[in-house]
Amino acid sequence: GAGVSQSPRYKVAKRGQDVALRCDPISGHVSLFWYQQALGQGPEFLTYFQNEAQLDKSGLPSDRFFAERPEGSVSTLKIQRTQQEDSAVYLCASSLVGGTSVGELFFGEGSRLTVL
Amino acid sequence: KNEVEQSPQNLTAQEGEFITINCSYSVGISALHWLQQHPGGGIVSLFMLSSGKKKHGRLIATINIQEKHSSLHITASHPRDSAVYICAVRSKGGSEKLVFGKGMKLTVNP
Repeated sequence: GAGVSQSPRYKVAKRGQDVALRCDPISGHVSLFWYQQALGQGPEFLTYFQNEAQLDKSGLPSDRFFAERPEGSVSTLKIQRTQQEDSAVYLCASSLVGGTSVGELFFGEGSRLTVL
Repeated sequence: KNEVEQSPQNLTAQEGEFITINCSYSVGISALHWLQQHPGGGIVSLFMLSSGKKKHGRLIATINIQEKHSSLHITASHPRDSAVYICAVRSKGGSEKLVFGKGMKLTVNP
């Protein structure tokens, strides 16, 4: 596709439910990032992939959060046993380059998760 | 203290005004991004810079590495410029992750 695509755009989950959020980066982009944005705040880093390798997961808030990018393209962010504090917009971004190069970031529209 | 601080947090301007949004950071960086976020979540990258100045249309971004400070200027502002403007930095040292400021909400009234 032309841009970064995320689905679902909106997800309402009951507390304790598992959710999966999908990110389709721009074709050929090496780097993929997940960010969490709480209401009224700037995005906070969750995790980073270079191709299929998860090089940095230091931002994942707990072991209930898990991300994968098995074939180096589509990525899934999974949140197990959701809690109310997980309510946020989850943003995915991709970049053509990786490693020590600095590339422009392209963001998806985000997935807004509301946990009741 | 946050690594990235933006000021002001909110700004209301009249159409046509010249607007400056500031960003200060406390770490050594390899790059700084200015991003625009419209209601509904979509983020668009405006500039990525590591030195000097860049211009695109009515937008100008400058960075002073020694002072750890960047500014985003909007000339001849228009109501469609209303959005949240976010500054984000990539730390030196090889880390890929960006550290974001909280953003500045700009409202341009006609």
